[in-house]
Amino acid sequence: DVVMTQSPLSLPVTLGQPASISCRSSQSLVHSNGNTYLDWFQQRPGQSPRRLIYEVSSRDSGVPDRFSGSGSGTDFTLKISRVEAEDVGVYYCLQGTHWPPTFGQGTKLEIK
Amino acid sequence: EVHLVESGGGLVQPGGSLRLSCAASGFTFSTSWMLWVRQAPGKGLEWVANMNQDGSDKYYVGSVKGRFSISRDNAKSSLYLQMNSLRAEDTAVYYCARGVSRTTDFWGQGTLVTVSS
Repeated sequence: DVVMTQSPLSLPVTLGQPASISCRSSQSLVHSNGNTYLDWFQQRPGQSPRRLIYEVSSRDSGVPDRFSGSGSGTDFTLKISRVEAEDVGVYYCLQGTHWPPTFGQGTKLEIK
Repeated sequence: EVHLVESGGGLVQPGGSLRLSCAASGFTFSTSWMLWVRQAPGKGLEWVANMNQDGSDKYYVGSVKGRFSISRDNAKSSLYLQMNSLRAEDTAVYYCARGVSRTTDFWGQGTLVTVSS
């Protein structure tokens, strides 16, 4: 199975400052059809995961534009331009290029 | 609006069985592949099982193969997970989710399964 490695695992951030989470895969996530199936999910405390980003950089409906995704091949990044209090939670990457889909370990974002 | 509501969780002894249900609404269930994901207390996410639209194709993670069975009733817009021979390591919140493209988009709120004597 493809191993997804996130860093850092803990991310203390000051309100209003940017934040960046890295996700690296053990194999390229470029599918034979040319697409790259790498998603980002946010799990707020006590809630179920919510998808923020799909196929590397497409933002889901209702997701603030301070969230952005980028990357290619095996190296991907989720960026928050200015962290707000409601962004506290755990962020997971998920790859779907290679079966079975696999998640990263999660990155816990907290406010300093 | 997509809505997924899980039920059926609870406390069960090791070796016991539970059947989880997921009621779907707000989208055409019969044209969506569906899946179950679990999260052990304080841990990350694990893809457990998925099924295609007509039930002809199923996948199970290795640790549940032979013990869990995923099924669906398109007439009732419902997804199920039959869990047998439960072990302590199966203790988790189980989420029902909709499959889209090659991953997933919407998830339910989850149902807690606790395996303990």
